[in-house]
Amino acid sequence: DGGITQSPKYLFRKEGQNVTLSCEQNLNHDAMYWYRQDPGQGLRLIYYSQIVNDFQKGDIAEGYSVSREKKESFPLTVTSAQKNPTAFYLCASRNDRGLQAQHFGDGTRLSIL
Amino acid sequence: GQQLNQSPQSMFIQEGEDVSMNCTSSSIFNTWLWYKQEPGEGPVLLIALYKAGELTSNGRLTAQFGITRKDSFLNISASIPSDVGIYFCAGLNYGGSQGNLIFGKGTKLSVKP
Repeated sequence: DGGITQSPKYLFRKEGQNVTLSCEQNLNHDAMYWYRQDPGQGLRLIYYSQIVNDFQKGDIAEGYSVSREKKESFPLTVTSAQKNPTAFYLCASRNDRGLQAQHFGDGTRLSIL
Repeated sequence: GQQLNQSPQSMFIQEGEDVSMNCTSSSIFNTWLWYKQEPGEGPVLLIALYKAGELTSNGRLTAQFGITRKDSFLNISASIPSDVGIYFCAGLNYGGSQGNLIFGKGTKLSVKP
């Protein structure tokens, strides 16, 4: 089945540790996105990528890093510089041609140990 | 930056009742999207609206793209328990935002059987 796969579903981070969240899509979508969701809040954009080997900061990029080496993959690293990493992280992708909506994965919940 | 005001924040209704929620913006959008999110999962696209004045239905759901392009509403008729979740509106402006969505903060719907 075509879709967006995020892993792991749950992740725990120790103090001072970097952790990487995986996002893979087999929809052949050009654009991919990472969002952070906190309780009672809308989705806030962390990073996005329109094409392989290129990505842009979103509204809350500090403390995060990404790479886009393959069209199918857009991993997000939550670095130790992100002091409040506990949140639900959502990956999305979109076909960049025409008026296409973003489609989301099922999310990764990150907590601090 | 652009912001969406989504209301109401939450709704508690009886099964069988109709539901209405809306989003307004100070800016014009080219596309309005409505998503539903269930606990621990990613948002799922319900309806996409691409033209001002457009009225689109998806089963018991009906959404409209406001004629001013600054607002949209979503109606759910004859609600059932599985309608429970958080409903998000999102606006998309291709002009300068590279296809990035602006999200409302969501309407949390609770349905009493």
